[in-house]
Amino acid sequence: DGGITQSPKYLFRKEGQNVTLSCEQNLNHDAMYWYRQDPGQGLRLIYYSQIVNDFQKGDIAEGYSVSREKKESFPLTVTSAQKNPTAFYLCASSIAASGAGEAKNIQYFGAGTRLSVL
Amino acid sequence: SQQGEEDPQALSIQEGENATMNCSYKTSINNLQWYRQNSGRGLVHLILIRSNEREKHSGRLRVTLDTSKKSSSLLITASRAADTASYFCATRNSGNTPLVFGKGTRLSVIA
Repeated sequence: DGGITQSPKYLFRKEGQNVTLSCEQNLNHDAMYWYRQDPGQGLRLIYYSQIVNDFQKGDIAEGYSVSREKKESFPLTVTSAQKNPTAFYLCASSIAASGAGEAKNIQYFGAGTRLSVL
Repeated sequence: SQQGEEDPQALSIQEGENATMNCSYKTSINNLQWYRQNSGRGLVHLILIRSNEREKHSGRLRVTLDTSKKSSSLLITASRAADTASYFCATRNSGNTPLVFGKGTRLSVIA
Protein backbone atom coordinates (compact mmCIF):
# COMPACT_ATOMS: atom_id res chain seq x y z
CA ASP A 1 0.00 0.00 0.00
CA GLY A 2 1.91 3.00 -1.29
CA GLY A 3 1.62 6.44 0.15
CA ILE A 4 2.68 8.85 2.83
CA THR A 5 2.43 8.03 6.49
CA GLN A 6 2.41 10.69 9.18
CA SER A 7 2.65 9.88 12.84
CA PRO A 8 1.39 10.43 15.38
CA LYS A 9 -2.13 11.53 14.45
CA TYR A 10 -2.37 13.64 17.61
CA LEU A 11 0.51 15.15 19.59
CA PHE A 12 0.68 17.26 22.70
CA ARG A 13 3.58 19.50 23.57
CA LYS A 14 4.51 20.87 26.95
CA GLU A 15 5.94 24.35 27.16
CA GLY A 16 9.68 24.40 26.46
CA GLN A 17 9.62 20.96 24.89
CA ASN A 18 10.79 19.97 21.42
CA VAL A 19 8.59 17.49 19.57
CA THR A 20 9.20 15.59 16.34
CA LEU A 21 6.60 14.74 13.74
CA SER A 22 7.30 11.77 11.51
CA CYS A 23 6.73 11.60 7.76
CA GLU A 24 7.58 8.50 5.71
CA GLN A 25 6.85 7.86 2.02
CA ASN A 26 7.27 4.75 -0.12
CA LEU A 27 6.48 6.45 -3.43
CA ASN A 28 10.16 6.86 -4.36
CA HIS A 29 9.61 10.62 -4.60
CA ASP A 30 12.57 12.96 -4.54
CA ALA A 31 10.78 15.99 -3.09
CA MET A 32 9.11 16.27 0.31
CA TYR A 33 7.36 19.16 2.04
CA TRP A 34 6.02 20.27 5.40
CA TYR A 35 3.02 22.59 5.67
CA ARG A 36 1.24 24.19 8.58
CA GLN A 37 -2.53 24.74 8.44
CA ASP A 38 -4.36 26.91 10.96
CA PRO A 39 -8.17 26.69 11.33
CA GLY A 40 -9.99 27.96 8.27
CA GLN A 41 -6.71 28.85 6.60
CA GLY A 42 -4.69 27.63 3.67
CA LEU A 43 -1.38 25.82 3.75
CA ARG A 44 1.82 27.64 4.62
CA LEU A 45 5.12 26.06 3.64
CA ILE A 46 7.55 25.41 6.49
CA TYR A 47 10.40 23.51 4.81
CA TYR A 48 10.93 21.48 1.68
CA SER A 49 13.57 19.11 0.40
CA GLN A 50 14.31 18.31 -3.22
CA ILE A 51 16.95 15.70 -2.60
CA VAL A 52 18.52 13.73 0.23
CA ASN A 53 20.78 15.76 2.56
CA ASP A 54 19.42 19.06 1.25
CA PHE A 55 16.47 21.21 2.30
CA GLN A 56 15.25 24.79 1.97
CA LYS A 57 13.28 27.11 4.23
CA GLY A 58 9.74 27.92 3.30
CA ASP A 59 7.70 30.95 4.32
CA ILE A 60 7.46 30.16 8.04
CA ALA A 61 10.59 28.18 8.98
CA GLU A 62 11.35 29.99 12.25
CA GLY A 63 10.96 27.69 15.25
CA TYR A 64 11.11 24.53 13.14
CA SER A 65 13.90 22.21 11.98
CA VAL A 66 14.08 19.28 9.55
CA SER A 67 16.47 16.63 8.34
CA ARG A 68 16.57 14.52 5.17
CA GLU A 69 18.99 11.69 5.82
CA LYS A 70 16.99 9.15 3.82
CA LYS A 71 14.88 9.55 0.70
CA GLU A 72 11.86 8.03 2.43
CA SER A 73 11.90 10.15 5.56
CA PHE A 74 11.51 13.87 6.31
CA PRO A 75 10.92 14.45 10.05
CA LEU A 76 9.89 17.86 11.34
CA THR A 77 10.93 19.09 14.80
CA VAL A 78 8.85 21.80 16.41
CA THR A 79 11.27 23.50 18.76
CA SER A 80 10.60 25.45 21.94
CA ALA A 81 11.34 28.59 19.92
CA GLN A 82 8.01 28.14 18.12
CA LYS A 83 5.73 30.04 20.49
CA ASN A 84 2.44 29.22 18.79
CA PRO A 85 2.75 25.62 17.58
CA THR A 86 -0.91 24.60 17.81
CA ALA A 87 -1.92 23.69 14.26
CA PHE A 88 -2.53 20.88 11.80
CA TYR A 89 0.71 19.77 10.14
CA LEU A 90 0.71 18.19 6.71
CA CYS A 91 3.54 16.38 4.97
CA ALA A 92 3.57 15.91 1.21
CA SER A 93 5.80 14.50 -1.49
CA SER A 94 6.16 14.82 -5.25
CA ILE A 95 8.30 13.26 -7.93
CA ALA A 96 10.23 16.53 -8.13
CA ALA A 97 9.85 20.04 -6.79
CA SER A 98 10.42 21.70 -10.13
CA GLY A 99 10.11 20.98 -13.83
CA ALA A 100 7.20 21.62 -16.10
CA GLY A 101 6.28 17.98 -16.59
CA GLU A 102 2.70 17.43 -15.56
CA ALA A 103 3.28 14.59 -13.12
CA LYS A 104 6.38 16.00 -11.53
CA ASN A 105 4.87 18.51 -9.15
CA ILE A 106 1.54 16.94 -8.24
CA GLN A 107 1.76 16.58 -4.48
CA TYR A 108 0.61 13.59 -2.46
CA PHE A 109 -0.34 14.27 1.14
CA GLY A 110 -0.31 12.36 4.39
CA ALA A 111 -3.29 12.36 6.75
CA GLY A 112 -1.78 15.03 9.00
CA THR A 113 -0.70 15.46 12.62
CA ARG A 114 -2.68 17.70 14.94
CA LEU A 115 -0.38 19.35 17.46
CA SER A 116 -1.69 20.98 20.61
CA VAL A 117 -0.01 22.67 23.53
CA LEU A 118 -0.67 21.45 27.08
CA SER B 1 3.51 33.86 0.55
CA GLN B 2 0.10 32.80 -0.71
CA GLN B 3 -0.28 33.23 -4.42
CA GLY B 4 -3.82 32.07 -4.99
CA GLU B 5 -6.96 33.50 -3.47
CA GLU B 6 -10.13 31.46 -3.72
CA ASP B 7 -13.57 32.99 -3.93
CA PRO B 8 -16.00 32.56 -2.28
CA GLN B 9 -14.53 31.59 1.10
CA ALA B 10 -17.60 29.44 1.75
CA LEU B 11 -20.37 28.08 -0.46
CA SER B 12 -23.52 26.19 0.47
CA ILE B 13 -25.68 24.52 -2.17
CA GLN B 14 -28.35 21.85 -2.52
CA GLU B 15 -27.51 18.41 -3.82
CA GLY B 16 -27.81 18.29 -7.59
CA GLU B 17 -26.84 21.94 -8.10
CA ASN B 18 -23.58 23.04 -9.69
CA ALA B 19 -20.81 24.56 -7.58
CA THR B 20 -18.38 27.11 -8.97
CA MET B 21 -15.24 28.25 -7.18
CA ASN B 22 -12.78 30.82 -8.42
CA CYS B 23 -9.07 31.31 -7.91
CA SER B 24 -7.03 34.41 -8.65
CA TYR B 25 -3.25 34.55 -8.62
CA LYS B 26 -0.60 37.21 -8.96
CA THR B 27 2.38 36.10 -11.01
CA SER B 28 2.94 34.10 -14.18
CA ILE B 29 2.56 30.36 -13.74
CA ASN B 30 3.56 27.09 -15.36
CA ASN B 31 0.48 25.27 -14.21
CA LEU B 32 -2.42 25.52 -11.79
CA GLN B 33 -3.78 22.66 -9.74
CA TRP B 34 -6.92 22.08 -7.69
CA TYR B 35 -6.93 19.98 -4.53
CA ARG B 36 -9.68 18.79 -2.21
CA GLN B 37 -9.48 18.40 1.57
CA ASN B 38 -12.04 16.56 3.65
CA SER B 39 -12.29 17.85 7.20
CA GLY B 40 -9.26 16.87 9.28
CA ARG B 41 -7.58 15.01 6.43
CA GLY B 42 -4.78 15.57 3.93
CA LEU B 43 -5.26 17.12 0.52
CA VAL B 44 -6.04 15.08 -2.57
CA HIS B 45 -5.07 16.22 -6.06
CA LEU B 46 -8.05 16.70 -8.38
CA ILE B 47 -6.84 18.20 -11.64
CA LEU B 48 -3.94 20.10 -13.22
CA ILE B 49 -4.20 22.62 -16.03
CA ARG B 50 -1.15 23.89 -17.88
CA SER B 51 -0.64 27.57 -18.62
CA ASN B 52 -1.20 26.95 -22.36
CA GLU B 53 -4.55 25.22 -21.75
CA ARG B 54 -7.87 27.03 -21.38
CA GLU B 55 -10.19 24.28 -20.21
CA LYS B 56 -9.93 20.76 -18.84
CA HIS B 57 -12.48 18.15 -17.79
CA SER B 58 -12.33 15.22 -15.40
CA GLY B 59 -15.59 13.44 -14.64
CA ARG B 60 -17.91 16.00 -13.03
CA LEU B 61 -15.10 18.55 -12.75
CA ARG B 62 -14.45 21.33 -15.25
CA VAL B 63 -11.53 23.69 -14.82
CA THR B 64 -10.92 26.85 -16.81
CA LEU B 65 -7.83 29.03 -16.89
CA ASP B 66 -7.58 32.63 -18.08
CA THR B 67 -3.94 33.67 -17.92
CA SER B 68 -4.73 37.20 -19.11
CA LYS B 69 -6.91 37.70 -16.03
CA LYS B 70 -4.73 35.47 -13.84
CA SER B 71 -7.75 33.47 -12.76
CA SER B 72 -9.12 29.95 -12.78
CA SER B 73 -12.47 28.41 -11.96
CA LEU B 74 -13.47 24.96 -10.78
CA LEU B 75 -16.98 23.79 -11.62
CA ILE B 76 -18.45 20.71 -9.96
CA THR B 77 -21.59 19.62 -11.76
CA ALA B 78 -24.52 17.75 -10.21
CA SER B 79 -23.03 18.04 -6.74
CA ARG B 80 -23.45 15.33 -4.12
CA ALA B 81 -23.30 15.43 -0.33
CA ALA B 82 -19.97 13.60 -0.60
CA ASP B 83 -18.50 16.63 -2.41
CA THR B 84 -18.62 18.54 0.89
CA ALA B 85 -15.00 19.56 1.49
CA SER B 86 -12.56 22.45 1.17
CA TYR B 87 -11.12 23.10 -2.27
CA PHE B 88 -7.74 24.73 -2.82
CA CYS B 89 -6.01 26.05 -5.88
CA ALA B 90 -2.24 25.80 -6.09
CA THR B 91 0.11 27.43 -8.52
CA ARG B 92 3.64 26.75 -9.58
CA ASN B 93 5.53 29.79 -10.75
CA SER B 94 8.17 29.77 -13.44
CA GLY B 95 11.44 28.64 -12.00
CA ASN B 96 12.53 26.28 -9.32
CA THR B 97 9.85 26.88 -6.69
CA PRO B 98 7.32 24.57 -5.02
CA LEU B 99 3.55 24.88 -5.22
CA VAL B 100 1.88 27.79 -3.46
CA PHE B 101 -1.62 27.14 -2.07
CA GLY B 102 -4.53 29.52 -1.63
CA LYS B 103 -6.76 29.73 1.45
CA GLY B 104 -9.49 27.53 0.02
CA THR B 105 -13.24 27.50 -0.51
CA ARG B 106 -15.36 25.51 1.97
CA LEU B 107 -18.14 23.79 0.06
CA SER B 108 -21.18 22.38 1.82
CA VAL B 109 -23.59 20.27 -0.22
CA ILE B 110 -26.89 19.76 1.54
CA ALA B 111 -28.84 16.59 0.84
